[in-house]
Amino acid sequence: AQKVTQAQTEISVVEKEDVTLDCVYETRDTTYYLFWYKQPPSGELVFLIRRNSFDEQNEISGRYSWNFQKSTSSFNFTITASQVVDSAVYFCALSPIYNQGGKLIFGQGTELSVKP
Amino acid sequence: DVKVTQSSRYLVKRTGEKVFLECVQDMDHENMFWYRQDPGLGLRLIYFSYDVKMKEKGDIPEGYSVSREKKERFSLILESASTNQTSMYLCASRQGIPYEQYFGPGTRLTVT
Repeated sequence: AQKVTQAQTEISVVEKEDVTLDCVYETRDTTYYLFWYKQPPSGELVFLIRRNSFDEQNEISGRYSWNFQKSTSSFNFTITASQVVDSAVYFCALSPIYNQGGKLIFGQGTELSVKP
Repeated sequence: DVKVTQSSRYLVKRTGEKVFLECVQDMDHENMFWYRQDPGLGLRLIYFSYDVKMKEKGDIPEGYSVSREKKERFSLILESASTNQTSMYLCASRQGIPYEQYFGPGTRLTVT
């Protein structure tokens, strides 16, 4: 079975705090892709990152960083020095390549609230 | 920049009406998708299309149909709207496997 779990339903932090959003996935496939999306209050999902199963290098983009650990089936997302504009729902997603047409399997999402 | 547009941001329809939700992408993407998003249930795939005139059922196709006559346009049809189809509907497009999907702004549909 393919599944993505985001155990944190809601997180609230104060501006400038660092925050990590957890994502754990299940798949039997050896080749797959993982994604993070941001959904601000406006509603549109914004693509943040794509990572393939063979690339375990961590990625940093400005205040955002991602930690992919295949051994624990996790793909966690950290925001450093959070800002109010980071307030959104964040989704982790899994895409099995050879099964199910590469469709996205989403986690339930984590709602992040950054307070000034 | 990829642009995915949806015909309406908000829509109110009555039970039994036929409803059309339109989605257009401007990046010549092969694949297009329709999801619905509900609180506590996340995003669920309704239908997707790999190419013009091709469609595949997703996880919750019941009560819906789709049409893709042109590459840039993917329509979701509610043949006879029901109150349990009140939801946020999101369209997405993708260049192909394994690339990321790009989403439209969503249509919040209310069926009364």
